[in-house]
Amino acid sequence: DQQVKQNSPSLSVQEGRISILNCDYTNSMFDYFLWYKKYPAEGPTFLISISSIKDKNEDGRFTVFLNKSAKHLSLHIVPSQPGDSAVYFCASTGNQFYFGTGTSLTVIP
Amino acid sequence: EPEVTQTPSHQVTQMGQEVILRCVPISNHLYFYWYRQILGQKVEFLVSFYNNEISEKSEIFDDQFSVERPDGSNFTLKIRSTKLEDSAMYFCASSLGQLGNQPQHFGDGTRLSIL
Repeated sequence: DQQVKQNSPSLSVQEGRISILNCDYTNSMFDYFLWYKKYPAEGPTFLISISSIKDKNEDGRFTVFLNKSAKHLSLHIVPSQPGDSAVYFCASTGNQFYFGTGTSLTVIP
Repeated sequence: EPEVTQTPSHQVTQMGQEVILRCVPISNHLYFYWYRQILGQKVEFLVSFYNNEISEKSEIFDDQFSVERPDGSNFTLKIRSTKLEDSAMYFCASSLGQLGNQPQHFGDGTRLSIL
């Protein structure tokens, strides 16, 4: 039962270009959506979140967009930097905390 | 910046043995969580803990598992009668609140290997 799905297991982007990571969810009752970044051998690190009552939240190079009618959210990173190379998880909160399967982003110098 | 710490970083245990994974959450946080990630799979929620009791648990968190906050600083996950399929990374997390704008902070995990 996948409440949160990330359909792209990997993404490669040139340094300086935009990275767009996508996430779909099934439960319209989720109230918050979050993006986490994970380096190998480390725990996930919180990046940015968005409330279900908003459609956009921006923090520096990171912007999250929420399309409630499509049950879709995306994370935009611009400009992408080599240090952004990591696995990105979207997550949602209801009674529990659901993670997507992750997208491995590689930013090519 | 305060962080969640987990010990040990790697635990190797014989099948059928009991194992205790330890976590020290961020000191002013009130909510505590355990997750696991089987190799190549997604991070899965196990349990959340608040006010000295379990607030939510997933289907994975059956009678084999228990959590405890024995001394006000440590937060432990006990797995009884370990099975091969319990091999995974186990992440502890803590948060100030439960809202999405009070995100969870994760430790670096304990790799549990069941032989």
